[in-house]
Amino acid sequence: AQSVTQLDSHVSVSEGTPVLLRCNYSSSYSPSLFWYVQHPNKGLQLLLKYTSAATLVKGINGFEAEFKKSETSFHLTKPSAHMSDAAEYFCVVSEDGEYGNKLVFGAGTILRVKS
Amino acid sequence: DTAVSQTPKYLVTQMGNDKSIKCEQNLGHDTMYWYKQDSKKFLKIMFSYNNKELIINETVPNRFSPKSPDKAHLNLHINSLELGDSAVYFCASSQLAGPTYEQYFGPGTRLTVT
Repeated sequence: AQSVTQLDSHVSVSEGTPVLLRCNYSSSYSPSLFWYVQHPNKGLQLLLKYTSAATLVKGINGFEAEFKKSETSFHLTKPSAHMSDAAEYFCVVSEDGEYGNKLVFGAGTILRVKS
Repeated sequence: DTAVSQTPKYLVTQMGNDKSIKCEQNLGHDTMYWYKQDSKKFLKIMFSYNNKELIINETVPNRFSPKSPDKAHLNLHINSLELGDSAVYFCASSQLAGPTYEQYFGPGTRLTVT
């Protein structure tokens, strides 16, 4: 079974400084990987996805992630944090079963942005 | 226009009651899902339907029964509610059932069982 590990449960940055949210995955073959964001009391929004094309994936709101097979990592970055980035971020791997695929979520990383 | 909508947004009920949560998507997608987010924010899939047929059924108590009257709707009925059922339930949809298709989530239904 595939899984993801988000290495930090909480990350705190100052506004205008870079953001790094770390994610490692476990998969027996080339996975599909996603980052979703959940703002307080809101639903989940897709930030970006990797599906075996370019290893550097650009998403919405200035976020990007790099797929590194040798390190089994899919870290999320942003050059400059904004207050509106404060939210919980989920790294997700898509597991393809016999009858359909399901998303397997990491435990989440809460991003706090200080002014 | 809301892509994936759920009703109700909040549901407070007593143990032993039966309740339903409705989900509708207007994206023309073939595949729909139900996820449960527990108090620690951990998200886990419960069910998946493709073109009205059940394709994924995780280890979920029989008290939970999904129903898909058509491709655009996937409802979740819960019998004999228990305290442990308190959670946020998210509906999602994707164009097809393959692993590369991103899933679009509804706003969630916060269920509180007292």
